Order: sequence, then structure tokens, then C-alpha cells
Amino acid sequence: NAGVTQTPKFQVLKTGQSMTLQCAQDMNHNSMYWYRQDPGMGLRLIYYSASEGTTDKGEVPNGYNVSRLNKREFSLRLESAAPSQTSVYFCASSPSGANVLTFGAGSRLTVL
Amino acid sequence: GENVEQHPSTLSVQEGDSAVIKCTYSDSASNYFPWYKQELGKGPQLIIDIRSNVGEKKDQRIAVTLNKTAKHFSLHITETQPEDSAVYFCAARPRAMNYGGSQGNLIFGKGTKLSVKP
Repeated sequence: NAGVTQTPKFQVLKTGQSMTLQCAQDMNHNSMYWYRQDPGMGLRLIYYSASEGTTDKGEVPNGYNVSRLNKREFSLRLESAAPSQTSVYFCASSPSGANVLTFGAGSRLTVL
Repeated sequence: GENVEQHPSTLSVQEGDSAVIKCTYSDSASNYFPWYKQELGKGPQLIIDIRSNVGEKKDQRIAVTLNKTAKHFSLHITETQPEDSAVYFCAARPRAMNYGGSQGNLIFGKGTKLSVKP
């Protein structure tokens, strides 16, 4: 049982490049989330998807886009990466109406 | 909006001692308070949670207490072991942020790095 799988685990980009972080869950959860974690800042919500076909902005959505491809997959795209987007990104999922988030292992992104 | 403050940012204890991490929240309508443990190189994992209609919850060596009047909640770890060393995050879920049929828009504290020395 894999839970939440994120790819890639590590990525280095140059300023202005684009990339997509992929996330998939195999727990039949309805809701999925993207967080970023920065030193001393805790976890901040970028975007979430309450259910397949819906997406909404979180606390820090600027510079990001998301796609809920199907119930299993939720991707995060950086169209023009900036050094301020250097961070560790976590995908999470939860069942509808529940509160428990299951997190992936994280994707460490460095923008030079 | 909701704001969650977490203290201390670092905590070092001897094996066998107790550890206490405290969080305060600002939105009195918040109704769910989980604690997550993050080991090095891994994603956070839920270790215990409490809802606003409960004052205390215990699970073996860990317990969480909630004081709604003062708007603070605490994590207590007794008989600490080296494997308890990790970063711990508290979180609060404001009631107003429930959406559709799914709840989970948590606001996290900034984390506490706990070190348990053998």
C-alpha cells in the first residue's frame, strides 16, 4: 500500500524554467492538497482540491497552478520558477468529511 | 484568519524525561487540533488529534490537552525515547474553512524540533 507518491524527489531548476510536480494516491481519497515547507515557516497550503473536478487557492497560490487529473492524481505546476520557490513541497490527501491528512515523502526543489 | 503559534521552536530532553509542546490559536471557531510528527527526510505523520468537544486525549505515551477558553492546546510526551526525536507540528482547523464535503484546510504552527538524548 503506497499511500501518497510524489515525483520527483529532487529537482534543480534555473530561474524562468517550468516544471510539474506529480502526486498520486491509492487510498481512494476525495481531497488532495499541495503544501510547501520552508525553514521556520511550518507548512503552508498552496492549493487544494476538495474533490475530483474542483481546485481552490490556499494561503500562498501565487506562481503556481494545479490540475486534478482524476481522483488519484493532483499535479502542481511552476510556469516560471523563481528563487523564492525554492522549498520542499508536500502533497497530501484525505477522505471527504475526514480530518486526517496523509502526506507524501516530499519533493525538494531548488531554483537557481 | 486563523493564526497558530507554537513554542518552543527547539526542545532538548534526556531520555526518560517528559516533553511538552504548546500551541495557541486565534480563531475561537476552530474545532479540530491535530499533531503531526515529521522524521528526517519524510513527510509529516499524524500522531494524535483532538476535537473541540474534548478536553484531553491519550494514546500510550502521548497525550494532548485542549483549553478552549484560553485557546491553547499542548502535546505531552512521557518517558521519551531517542526515536521520539523529530519535528512536531501542531495545527488548527477553523470551522469557517470547511468546504463541500471535505474538511482539512489546516493552519499549521511553525514546528518544534525535539531532540531526545540517550
